[in-house]
Amino acid sequence: DTGVSQNPRHKITKRGQNVTFRCDPISEHNRLYWYRQTLGQGPEFLTYFQNEAQLEKSRLLSDRFSAERPKGSFSTLEIQRTEQGDSAMYLCASSLAPPGQGAQQKLFFGSGTQLSVL
Amino acid sequence: AQRVTQPEKLLSVFKGAPVELKCNYSYSGSPELFWYVQYSRQRLQLLLRHISRESIKGFTADLNKGETSFHLKKPFAQEEDSAMYYCALRGTGFQKLVFGTGTRLLVSP
Repeated sequence: DTGVSQNPRHKITKRGQNVTFRCDPISEHNRLYWYRQTLGQGPEFLTYFQNEAQLEKSRLLSDRFSAERPKGSFSTLEIQRTEQGDSAMYLCASSLAPPGQGAQQKLFFGSGTQLSVL
Repeated sequence: AQRVTQPEKLLSVFKGAPVELKCNYSYSGSPELFWYVQYSRQRLQLLLRHISRESIKGFTADLNKGETSFHLKKPFAQEEDSAMYYCALRGTGFQKLVFGTGTRLLVSP
């Protein structure tokens, strides 16, 4: 499968624990996005990388959240001191944008990581 | 502020009937509008975007700036169209997409 890969598929954790999710985008894609989706809602934007640079961050991303894309390939999203309100599906997406191309390119989504905080 | 409203949580139609999924947006600039679809047990995927002015799987959507709408239409629904549909907006200078809450389309035989 050459699509966007996310691991783990499911994560159950206790309140206060730290969790880390991984996203492997489609190999040549230079843009990577994280979204969060709760039941009955559409995906909510969290953050976006162009190569290794984190260019946009939502105000939803509190100090407990951190995302990295160290070599411009895979990305990790870490949540520290998890809270029950963090329970959600965390979606990763990637796209390929030619240099200087500002328009939104087609996003390819992963299957997501379902986080449950007990 | 950027906002997308999909007023219907569920739209149920019979096969062969016309379908219109409503999407209204709020944005002061010139937005890009998209429709994404999620079939059962599949990933969220792009259906169409207004700048392409294309028809995908028989679906079309026209951006109406006067009414700030981007309704999705199909003249004859098929059972395989049953899915969750999300309207999304991108504001000028941003990469983030703002999604609506989605409409579940159920097409019955």
